[in-house]
Amino acid sequence: DGGITQSPKYLFRKEGQNVTLSCEQNLNHDAMYWYRQDPGQGLRLIYYSQIVNDFQKGDIAEGYSVSREKKESFPLTVTSAQKNPTAFYLCASSRWAGRVAGDYNEQFFGPGTRLTVL
Amino acid sequence: ELKVEQNPLFLSMQEGKNYTIYCNYSTTSDRLYWYRQDPGKSLESLFVLLSNGAVKQEGRLMASLDTKARLSTLHITAAVHDLSATYFCAVDRAGRRETSGSRLTFGEGTQLTVNP
Repeated sequence: DGGITQSPKYLFRKEGQNVTLSCEQNLNHDAMYWYRQDPGQGLRLIYYSQIVNDFQKGDIAEGYSVSREKKESFPLTVTSAQKNPTAFYLCASSRWAGRVAGDYNEQFFGPGTRLTVL
Repeated sequence: ELKVEQNPLFLSMQEGKNYTIYCNYSTTSDRLYWYRQDPGKSLESLFVLLSNGAVKQEGRLMASLDTKARLSTLHITAAVHDLSATYFCAVDRAGRRETSGSRLTFGEGTQLTVNP
């Protein structure tokens, strides 16, 4: 059964702690992404990776770090430098559909991790 | 900076009625996506629109793209309660290459409630 898994589903953190959110995919997708969603808002891009051992900052990277050591895995660390980390975090992956299909990379999303800072 | 605006942000409608959600964006793009999100859940892909004039339909939902006007619409026909959800449009600002991945900018979402 192919898909994207995120763990844990719920995470509670004390102020000043770093926490790592897991994202794994078995879809053989090249690109992976991390988003943050705040209540009543759209998604904002934190980091993305187009290939193993390479990643780029998105629109709101401050206070976050990532690694991409394996194609299947793209963990996100929320550091103590992130001032307001309570949010819903979504991981996604994408694969190029090919020139004939239209040159696009549709993103598919994992189930999300809800992080609460106590 | 690419901006994506949806309206309305909140929509309450009766079953059986028709309505349209609008998605405007600020810079040139010809790849636009629509997603659905149920409360507390992840995003589900609905439509991929890849060129000017593209129209896609699935059940009671139909999406279209006008790249010249920088506008996409999501039309709901004869709404049913099961369509209650938040709908997002997202515009891709990445390049058109196999290695580009995609860089999506999302609208704020339209929270749709369909009442019996």
